[in-house]
Parts: sequence; C-alpha cells; structure tokens
Amino acid sequence: RKEVEQDPGPFNVPEGATVAFNCTYSNSASQSFFWYRQDCRKEPKLLMSVYSSGNEDGRFTAQLNRASQYISLLIRDSKLSDSATYLCVVNGDYKLSFGAGTTVTVRA
Amino acid sequence: EAQVTQNPRYLITVTGKKLTVTCSQNMNHEYMSWYRQDPGLGLRQIYYSMNVEVTDKGDVPEGYKVSRKEKRNFPLILESPSPNQTSLYFCASSPRQGVYSPLHFGNGTRLTVT
Repeated sequence: RKEVEQDPGPFNVPEGATVAFNCTYSNSASQSFFWYRQDCRKEPKLLMSVYSSGNEDGRFTAQLNRASQYISLLIRDSKLSDSATYLCVVNGDYKLSFGAGTTVTVRA
Repeated sequence: EAQVTQNPRYLITVTGKKLTVTCSQNMNHEYMSWYRQDPGLGLRQIYYSMNVEVTDKGDVPEGYKVSRKEKRNFPLILESPSPNQTSLYFCASSPRQGVYSPLHFGNGTRLTVT
C-alpha cells in the first residue's frame, strides 16, 4: 500500500465552480500535512499547510481527518489559473511522503 | 532572492557516461534533499542531508551518489547512468528537517539517458 494516495483525476470544472478532493495516508503517526501545487512539470510550490482544526487561505480550504486518515482540499470559485496538479504531502517519522497528485483543469 | 538553483535544466546523455547535477541554495538551510518524479509515482526521495557532511539514503538511492561538503551545495552524481534513470529531478531544501518545515524546490532537471 502506498504511504500517500490521491485520486489522479483529472477533475474538469467550469470557472466559478467548487472542486474538492482527498488524499489518504497510511501512517497514523503522521504529524504534519501540506498541499503543494505543481504546474506542468515545474517545481512544486507550497500552497498551504493543513492544521488539525482545518484552515482557509482565500478560496482554498484544507481539512484534516485523523480518525479516517485523510486530508482534503476544497477550491471555491475556481479560476483558470487554478489549473494545476495538487500534491498531498505527509510528514511522519521525520520523513516526507508525496502523493502522485490530483490534476485539476478549470475551463472557461 | 531566496532560491534553490539546479543545473542543468535539461540533459541528454548516453548510458555509462558519468554526470553531475548541481544544486545550490542561498537560504542557509540545513536540510537538503533530492527527488525524482516519474508519471504516476509521485516524488520519490533519492538522498537527503541533515547538515554538512551528513547524508542518508532515501527510498530510491541505487545508482546515485551525493555529497555535502558545504552547507549551500548538494550535488547529485550518477556514476554510470542507465535508461531507467531517465526522469525529472528536483532538489529541495528546508531550514531543518523538522515536522513543520515545508520544502523549497529548485526548478528541476529533466534527464534523458539513451
């Protein structure tokens, strides 16, 4: 079983729509969680950290469910510029594990 | 500007010809790491370094070497490249390998081994 699993998508959504997707992790001792954004095989860039109580950053909302061992990312009012691959990253035992990414395509 | 710099961006080489991919960061970060990214597999860690002269194997170290003689530099060495090392490579750094330290990535090196 992979340490971090994501639905690869793609999620094709119209501008203005809401899109949400999850990431599951296998290590119950994982301590920190992040979402990164990656454009077209460029370098990943930190989108946001995920806190236990959930957190928002503008149109982006991240949630953590420790009991079911998953994190989620919700994008509201999607923009064309949100088209990217979103990587889930989990830090457990001081080791970062990456998901393979969820591709989101926002269409006009 | 704070950054992680990798060179070259693109490299095409032949099997068995030694090559080095350089990585340098100007943020005084203690932790540096190399990843390879292949379709459907996500980023997999090759080697990492917690500080100068301290390096450790990641998940896929076979066929690679690294060194950390200075804090800012962390080169990746392929002594005898093979076609299965064709991949997209990223160097990354963070202030330390703490639980809450996100990574800063270089802009990647696309390597093709024929």
